[in-house]
Amino acid sequence: DARVTQTPRHKVTEMGQEVTMRCQPILGHNTVFWYRQTMMQGLELLAYFRNRAPLDDSGMPKDRFSAEMPDATLATLKIQPSEPRDSAVYFCASGSDNYEQYFGPGTRLTVT
Amino acid sequence: AQSVTQPDIHITVSEGASLELRCNYSYGATPYLFWYVQSPGQGLQLLLKYFSGDTLVQGIKGFEAEFKRSQSSFNLRKPSVHWSDAAEYFCAVGSGSARQLTFGSGTQLTVLP
Repeated sequence: DARVTQTPRHKVTEMGQEVTMRCQPILGHNTVFWYRQTMMQGLELLAYFRNRAPLDDSGMPKDRFSAEMPDATLATLKIQPSEPRDSAVYFCASGSDNYEQYFGPGTRLTVT
Repeated sequence: AQSVTQPDIHITVSEGASLELRCNYSYGATPYLFWYVQSPGQGLQLLLKYFSGDTLVQGIKGFEAEFKRSQSSFNLRKPSVHWSDAAEYFCAVGSGSARQLTFGSGTQLTVLP
């Protein structure tokens, strides 16, 4: 049963520290999406890739967030420096050409 | 630009009762429509999808949804709700070259024993 995996599942860090979240998409999927979910804002699309190329990262704060896909099996989302307002659950999803997206279990980030 | 509206923030039903969750979309072309479910502490799981053809689509866990173009709606239904159906439900419309989804704000479902 193919699944999207995300690590770590939980992360607690202090303000100003760097945070790296990792995602392994489903083998064969050519699109990867990063979302952030909070109670106040709901589900927000941060960035997405197609065939490892970044297509749109307009949903991310550019000064502190970066997303990369170093190879087809790994996508990363970095926050540097982290701030308390970044506390949220971050989801990765992968998909192919049929619009279906499969979500990972998420990384719950707490910045103190 | 496409958008999705889920007018009900929270719905409460008794176990065994029928359920209908509303979803309205705005999209210029033929929409690709989805329903996802999110249980507490978990990611979103695809329940069902509509691409074309029969406007009544069946999904997992006994759910179905009906696409009504004239009403720009894609409502989710289940004839008899189980306690395990308590979760948050998201409607989404697909668009764009990267196949991105636009999600609604979600409907939280509570099931009473």
